Parts: sequence; structure tokens; C-alpha cells
Amino acid sequence: EAQVTQNPRYLITVTGKKLTVTCSQNMNHEYMSWYRQDPGLGLRQIYYSMNVEVTDKGDVPEGYKVSRKEKRNFPLILESPSPNQTSLYFCASSLLPPSTSGRAKNIQYFGAGTRLSVL
Amino acid sequence: GQQVMQIPQYQHVQEGEDFTTYCNSSTTLSNIQWYKQRPGGHPVFLIQLVKSGEVKKQKRLTFQFGEAKKNSSLHITATQTTDVGTYFCAGRTGANNLFFGTGTRLTVIP
Repeated sequence: EAQVTQNPRYLITVTGKKLTVTCSQNMNHEYMSWYRQDPGLGLRQIYYSMNVEVTDKGDVPEGYKVSRKEKRNFPLILESPSPNQTSLYFCASSLLPPSTSGRAKNIQYFGAGTRLSVL
Repeated sequence: GQQVMQIPQYQHVQEGEDFTTYCNSSTTLSNIQWYKQRPGGHPVFLIQLVKSGEVKKQKRLTFQFGEAKKNSSLHITATQTTDVGTYFCAGRTGANNLFFGTGTRLTVIP
């Protein structure tokens, strides 16, 4: 089954304790991205990756790191989490980047989400 | 910076009533996508509009892209309880990042 898998689904941690949220897709997609969802603010992009070893900042990258060592995996790293990073996080992937004009190739497929609480 | 605003933020309708959400961008968009997120779920792609003035229909849902490619709307005719959720628009300007709107949460009262 084609899917984007995020782990963990729920996480409670304390300020300053490094954590990693994993994301994996089995659709051979080139483009992957991370979003955070907060009430009244919609989905805001944290980082995105055009392909292996190619990553770039989105709208709200501060306090986050990512890596893309393999095509299927795109982990989100919080080196020193703070309470303002409490949020619902989504990983997403698409076959090609949003700039692609071909139909269906830039559709974003989302993971189930990770609800993070930083105390 | 790029902003994509949606109105209203919340909408409560009686089952059978119509519903419309509007998406407005501060800059011209190359294309616009619409997603639906059920309560407790993740966003799921609905449709993509590319051309100026484009109108597309999916059963009771009608999507429109403005002539200036700065705004878009989603209209649902005769809402049903299965329409409950948050609807997001997402637009791209020139780069490879996607800007999501703030979302409209729809509640349908049976």
C-alpha cells in the first residue's frame, strides 16, 4: 500500500531533550516536506527536500533540522525542543516538486501526523 | 512574505445548506490546490486548478480559480454530514514551496 509513515504518532517530552520524528514514503517520491499545524495558522512549511541531499528552508525553519540521506526517509530533528514547538506535525511527499505543471505529479500525500507536546 | 488567507475560519451549517470558503493570496499564484482534513485526520488532496478563471466540479463540490490567479473558492451544494472537516487551499508562487491557507473548519448540523 502506498503511504507516508510517521513515527511516533504522539510524543511528550521536556524542554531541551533532543528528539527525532521519522518519516518514510514507499512511493519513490522525489519531493518531501515537513509542516506544522497550529490553530488559526493552518499548515506552515518547516523544511522541504527536492531530492537526496537537497534540502531547503520553508516558512518556519527555526529550531528544526532535517536530512535526506535516502530517497524514502526525511527525518525531522529538534535539537533542543522548546514549548513553542508544541504542535501537530505532518510529513508529506509528492512525486515531483510543486513547480511541476504535469497533473497529479505534484499532489502532496500526507502522513498521519505526530502530536508533539514539549513541557 | 507570502500569505494565503482563508475565510471564514469556522462555518456551522444545517445539513442541506450550501457552504463556501474563500482563499486569497497576496501574490499571484501559479496554481492552487485544495485539501480536506477530516477531524483527527490528515490533509487529503481534492483538486488542482491551474488556469485563470478555471472552474472544476466534483459532484457537489465546485472549485474556482480567479481571473487574476490571486483567489480561489470552494463551494459545496447541499452539505452532508460527511462534508465535515477543515478545508485548506494551497498555492505556489514561483519557488518550490507550497503555501497553505489558514483553513476553514466546517461543521454540519444534522
